[in-house]
Amino acid sequence: ILNVEQSPQSLHVQEGDSTNFTCSFPSSNFYALHWYRWETAKSPEALFVMTLNGDEKKKGRISATLNTKEGYSYLYIKGSQPEDSATYLCAFMNSGNTPLVFGKGTRLSVIA
Amino acid sequence: DGGITQSPKYLFRKEGQNVTLSCEQNLNHDAMYWYRQDPGQGLRLIYYSQIVNDFQKGDIAEGYSVSREKKESFPLTVTSAQKNPTAFYLCASTLDANTGELFFGEGSRLTVL
Repeated sequence: ILNVEQSPQSLHVQEGDSTNFTCSFPSSNFYALHWYRWETAKSPEALFVMTLNGDEKKKGRISATLNTKEGYSYLYIKGSQPEDSATYLCAFMNSGNTPLVFGKGTRLSVIA
Repeated sequence: DGGITQSPKYLFRKEGQNVTLSCEQNLNHDAMYWYRQDPGQGLRLIYYSQIVNDFQKGDIAEGYSVSREKKESFPLTVTSAQKNPTAFYLCASTLDANTGELFFGEGSRLTVL
């Protein structure tokens, strides 16, 4: 079973602070890396699908980077808002046609 | 609206009973997945299907069964052989199993009494 690690497990930040968290995955074979946001009482929603080393993707105040050679991806949130409070999941695929393997998530709480 | 519908949202079952969780999608997606979530754990894959009439075991398939008779539907049966069935179950689908993002249902919470 592939090991996908996310850190930290949880964090609390003040409104307006910027923050980032990490997803680590095996660097030996890489196909794709996904980020999802899961708000309480809702369904997880995709943020980014990343496939190329050096990829940087951005959606509003949220951005992500990818380093496939060293096996990590960072998710950044600029100027956190209370509505950013959610669990952020990363998921890794080491080859095509194989299902995603999820990390345990990082639970973010933004305090107003 | 297009999406994935899971039912029921909450389900209580007595030990020894089988129970079936429904997952229906109208997104015309080929691939569908069942995940289980337990406290402190990530999403763990139970079963997946990339095409009608075909499915594969995931990492924790023991005690579960599925069918994929229609493209839109991928029901999961939690059998009495599943030792710890109390959990939150999520269904997902994607248009392209290689590159597509997953679309998730809202989940079903199963409690075994």
